[in-house]
Amino acid sequence: AQSVTQPDIHITVSEGASLELRCNYSYGATPYLFWYVQSPGQGLQLLLKYFSGDTLVQGIKGFEAEFKRSQSSFNLRKPSVHWSDAAEYFCAVGASNAGNMLTFGGGTRLMVKP
Amino acid sequence: DGGITQSPKYLFRKEGQNVTLSCEQNLNHDAMYWYRQDPGQGLRLIYYSQIVNDFQKGDIAEGYSVSREKKESFPLTVTSAQKNPTAFYLCASSMTGTLSTNEKLFFGSGTQLSVL
Repeated sequence: AQSVTQPDIHITVSEGASLELRCNYSYGATPYLFWYVQSPGQGLQLLLKYFSGDTLVQGIKGFEAEFKRSQSSFNLRKPSVHWSDAAEYFCAVGASNAGNMLTFGGGTRLMVKP
Repeated sequence: DGGITQSPKYLFRKEGQNVTLSCEQNLNHDAMYWYRQDPGQGLRLIYYSQIVNDFQKGDIAEGYSVSREKKESFPLTVTSAQKNPTAFYLCASSMTGTLSTNEKLFFGSGTQLSVL
């Protein structure tokens, strides 16, 4: 079975600083990887996803993520954080033989200092 | 506007009571899902349905029940057998229920369930 670990429960960055949120997964074959963002009391919005091909994936709101098979990682990055990026971020992994059933990490709460 | 509507936004349950959370979608999606979210634990799958009149248990189905009588509706009942129901419940849908480059999950805005 697949699993996802997000090692950082909370991260605080200053506005304008760069951001990297870590995600490590466990899965025997090539995974499908996702990053979602959740504002307080709201549902999840898809930021980006990786299925195959180019390992550097561009998403919405200026986010990108890089799939590194050797490290079993799919870290999310943004070069310059805006105050509106404060939210909770979830990494998820899916398997080709598991329909649309995603396994989610525990989430990382991002706080942005002015 | 197309989307997923969950109601109510807040719900309180008394001991021994069954409560039902509503989820409606007008996206014409075949597949629908219920997730439970607890702080620091991410989302866990309760039930999913890939077609009308069919549904499957997820990872934490005990104490919950669902029905899928209509394509657009997938209500979740939290029964009295669920001893720790306080959580944020998210409903989602997808076009076909099969992962692909063109497929993604659409989420509702959630229902916070608390025990009185």
